[in-house]
Amino acid sequence: DAMVIQNPRYQVTQFGKPVTLSCSQTLNHNVMYWYQQKSSQAPKLLFHYYDKDFNNEADTPDNFQSRRPNTSFCFLDIRSPGLGDAAMYLCATSREYHNEQFFGPGTRLTVL
Amino acid sequence: DQQVKQNSPSLSVQEGRISILNCDYTNSMFDYFLWYKKYPAEGPTFLISISSIKDKNEDGRFTVFLNKSAKHLSLHIVPSQPGDSAVYFCAARRDKLVFGAGTILRVKS
Repeated sequence: DAMVIQNPRYQVTQFGKPVTLSCSQTLNHNVMYWYQQKSSQAPKLLFHYYDKDFNNEADTPDNFQSRRPNTSFCFLDIRSPGLGDAAMYLCATSREYHNEQFFGPGTRLTVL
Repeated sequence: DQQVKQNSPSLSVQEGRISILNCDYTNSMFDYFLWYKKYPAEGPTFLISISSIKDKNEDGRFTVFLNKSAKHLSLHIVPSQPGDSAVYFCAARRDKLVFGAGTILRVKS
């Protein structure tokens, strides 16, 4: 089945210790998105890629970076996680910008 | 600045009855509105959408209504089933999707 896969599903890291979250897709979609969702809040777009073109949201902290080495994979790097970065991180894809977005199951990040 | 608001954190409905989930928005430039459904331990999945040029879209048991003058949309589920119990997110699009915080729907059998 074509899908969006996120690994790991749960990630625990220490304050200030870099962490990388992974997303892969078998849909061959052009656009890949990273959202941050804190408890009882709306998912918030951090950035997205259209193919290799990176688009950062204006209010995304510099602490968050992303890489898309190929069509299938996209990574979210948090350089120095703070307690406030504990959240669910959702990856999504769409064929084009205005097409339906398909979401992965998310990675829940805990920062100790 | 919350451009999309779902003011009811939760809703409980009896099986077979109608569920009505509400969403308000502030940006009149949104051109497309979507509802996503999320089960625990899964990502949100697309449910139904409506263009800003329409006022109603129906798909089986699910109907979305858009009132542009009031900047309000609603999702009606008739009849509600226990399997509909999930978190429902409203989203609005201009150049990107802006989500509401979600409403937890519980359908009691």
